[in-house]
Amino acid sequence: QITMQESGPTLVKPTQTLTLTCTFSGFSLTTSGVGVGWIRQPPGKALEWLALIYWDDDKRYSPSLKSRLTVTKDASKNYVVLTMTNMDPVDTATYYCAHRWNNLNTFDYWGPGTLVTVSS
Amino acid sequence: QSALTQPPSASGSPGQSVTISCTGTSSDVGGYNFVSWYQQHPGKAPKLMIYEVSKRPSGVPDRFSGSKSGNTASLTVSGLQAEDEADYYCSSHAGSNNFEVFGGGTKLTVL
Repeated sequence: QITMQESGPTLVKPTQTLTLTCTFSGFSLTTSGVGVGWIRQPPGKALEWLALIYWDDDKRYSPSLKSRLTVTKDASKNYVVLTMTNMDPVDTATYYCAHRWNNLNTFDYWGPGTLVTVSS
Repeated sequence: QSALTQPPSASGSPGQSVTISCTGTSSDVGGYNFVSWYQQHPGKAPKLMIYEVSKRPSGVPDRFSGSKSGNTASLTVSGLQAEDEADYYCSSHAGSNNFEVFGGGTKLTVL
């Protein structure tokens, strides 16, 4: 049974760096084809894909946010970290992490999400 | 502005069928058979309903079906039930650079 759980600050100030952790269970990030992605959703708005890291440390980023994003993993401890620099109020959103497996080409298991508010 | 275009709303009466469209380009929907559909109830995380255009994960009722023609994918919900009322999002693989794109979402109302 795969579970995903996001954690991190609920409030950050403008210009600060956001660090979010995704802790997972039920799979290994050392297994070929497995990845963990990050997706966000501003209040009342649509989903937006942010980043993805694969078992082999291949990383993909949204072109519009690439300069601000970094995704890393610790496969032995079952967690993935997303950092986003220079936070702005427009970055206020619920941030989700999700499991991805190349054989399915989709995000099949999602965490409950964590709401991050950017405000001074 | 989302990369994929969905109608903002759709509706149907219990028992009826409703189809939600998702229009992209040849760089995403039209270029790959990697379209997914997610259901999201208020305050909840998205739930995968359809992947690879038309495949249903275990546990998803067969009332939900997906298809694709050219640059447009569709989700059909047959035999509408009250619990189907939710927001629905499509997504598509979009190549190695812009890996995954989402639609703007469609609010499905069961009348």
